[in-house]
Amino acid sequence: DSGVTQTPKHLITATGQRVTLRCSPRSGDLSVYWYQQSLDQGLQFLIQYYNGEERAKGNILERFSAQQFPDLHSELNLSSLELGDSALYFCASSPRQGGNEKLFFGSGTQLSVL
Amino acid sequence: DQQVKQNSPSLSVQEGRISILNCDYTNSMFDYFLWYKKYPAEGPTFLISISSIKDKNEDGRFTVFLNKSAKHLSLHIVPSQPGDSAVYFCAAGSTTSGTYKYIFGTGTRLKVLA
Repeated sequence: DSGVTQTPKHLITATGQRVTLRCSPRSGDLSVYWYQQSLDQGLQFLIQYYNGEERAKGNILERFSAQQFPDLHSELNLSSLELGDSALYFCASSPRQGGNEKLFFGSGTQLSVL
Repeated sequence: DQQVKQNSPSLSVQEGRISILNCDYTNSMFDYFLWYKKYPAEGPTFLISISSIKDKNEDGRFTVFLNKSAKHLSLHIVPSQPGDSAVYFCAAGSTTSGTYKYIFGTGTRLKVLA
């Protein structure tokens, strides 16, 4: 158990809908990272937050947004969903801002857009 | 632009033999590298890391080698065990660029045959 909690584990929805994925980092970790894993793809970096502030951005679509709350949990919002958004979404956390820290991953949220 | 590449999607090795997983990167700003192992339906778990000030790091059966001039790293598993069968991801980050995201490769699926 990495200590990172992601909910829900599975999500099935329809095209055009909006969903929210939730992540609770390990106790004491200030950074949260979101990654997307599509079929046969590696882990694509989406966005990173540190202590409530956005610190790094990857190839995150404009239809996607995220935030980190004062209690350090994070939410990833996906809107106007398309079939291609079906993927495994991972959250990871680290104590500080990374660079030379290992990331601890949650078990992911499997999103299926039908 | 895939900055971190794992060119072998899969690898099969006999139990007891050495497994060698390779990873190449293109960005010379990367100076910290990690290997993760992922079982089905679980999040990636940290295996071993290496800083660019070293060319080798060892932890039990796992050794990571870094060749900075070739922008290449490899993970050696000796001896390989059936429980090592998983997908292995390499990741690269920079401690000096001011951004703290880790870029992951597409993974290599290792199968250790009993």
